[in-house]
Amino acid sequence: AQSVSQHNHHVILSEAASLELGCNYSYGGTVNLFWYVQYPGQHLQLLLKYFSGDPLVKGIKGFEAEFIKSKFSFNLRKPSVQWSDTAEYFCAVNAGTYKYIFGTGTRLKVLA
Amino acid sequence: NAGVTQTPKFQVLKTGQSMTLQCAQDMNHNSMYWYRQDPGMGLRLIYYSASEGTTDKGEVPNGYNVSRLNKREFSLRLESAAPSQTSVYFCASRQGQAGEYFGAGTRLSVL
Repeated sequence: AQSVSQHNHHVILSEAASLELGCNYSYGGTVNLFWYVQYPGQHLQLLLKYFSGDPLVKGIKGFEAEFIKSKFSFNLRKPSVQWSDTAEYFCAVNAGTYKYIFGTGTRLKVLA
Repeated sequence: NAGVTQTPKFQVLKTGQSMTLQCAQDMNHNSMYWYRQDPGMGLRLIYYSASEGTTDKGEVPNGYNVSRLNKREFSLRLESAAPSQTSVYFCASRQGQAGEYFGAGTRLSVL
């Protein structure tokens, strides 16, 4: 069965620090990968997605993610975080079915 | 553009009461989904509808029923609410393999 692991449950950073959130999935075939963000009190919004091609994907708000097939990973990065990036971040995988599998989320707090 | 609209935004129920959560999307998407979000557990799929006229169980379907009324609307019903169903419920829709669009959520408390 597919699964998604986000090992960092809580991350606290100062503004301007670099961010990397881990995401690992278990599925041997072709996958589509996503990162979503949920700002406090709001619904999930799509940050970026990977279907195929260049494994380095750029999304909105300066976020990017790198797909490393050999490591079954899709880590999210941002070179310099801002206070407004405080949110919960979810990784999700879709393996050609109608269902997405979501990770348990990583809560990011950015200190001003 | 409304996107995905959920009603109500908040609801408090007593154990044993029933209610229906409504969801409508105006993007002409084929697939619609109901998730629940609980602290530390991420989003878990309750039911989904791959297309109008079809519904399927997700990861945590017990205690829920759904109706795909038409292409736009996908409702979630709790027949006899239990405290374990206290959660935030999100509806989502999707076309093909693109990312999902989420509604604003319904915060439900069952006392």
